[in-house]
Amino acid sequence: GAVVSQHPSRVICKSGTSVKIECRSLDFQATTMFWYRQFPKQSLMLMATSNEGSKATYEQGVEKDKFLINHASLTLSTLTVTSAHPEDSSFYICSATDLAKNIQYFGAGTRLSVL
Amino acid sequence: GENVEQHPSTLSVQEGDSAVIKCTYSDSASNYFPWYKQELGKRPQLIIDIRSNVGEKKDQRIAVTLNKTAKHFSLHITETQPEDSAVYFCAASMGNAGGTSYGKLTFGQGTILTVHP
Repeated sequence: GAVVSQHPSRVICKSGTSVKIECRSLDFQATTMFWYRQFPKQSLMLMATSNEGSKATYEQGVEKDKFLINHASLTLSTLTVTSAHPEDSSFYICSATDLAKNIQYFGAGTRLSVL
Repeated sequence: GENVEQHPSTLSVQEGDSAVIKCTYSDSASNYFPWYKQELGKRPQLIIDIRSNVGEKKDQRIAVTLNKTAKHFSLHITETQPEDSAVYFCAASMGNAGGTSYGKLTFGQGTILTVHP
């Protein structure tokens, strides 16, 4: 079964609203989780590295005030897309590394559609 | 930062043929190279990975080779089946200090593999 759970799987919202996406590691602790964005027929682009108990590290070009990341526990990271606009519509995927196995597992993704 | 190039972007083969996808990376410090299979609208699934201390790894019909000197690695799928049809991504990562954990992944552009019955 899935070892990384991501919710919700699909969100449709109006422009200007905020959307929160949760990513949970189910049977291992993850001090680091990653958030990716994937546009149709494109590759996964890393947005930020979520660090438990400290600030997230954002990739160049990613607005930290727009994509708020909180990693409050060893099994949960959240991504909040603030004041979403149609151009934010995308497939957002999280991942977490199981250090015991040295494998990075991905969540099922969240398809965000901003009207 | 790391840059990963993947080729070809599309690959069409007949069932039973072999498929080869190639990737190059730019940062010699990268030491972990996973391959993911992604079906439409679903999560990437790890199919095989290789670490920089080995040159080849095989798992049934899937194999990966790594040439550290040339900074390239390849995925080989033999006896392809229609259910192998998907998008395949290579990735590269630098391990954290001590090499016991693997950090952020830089992905290649992806290869759409189509296996015709």
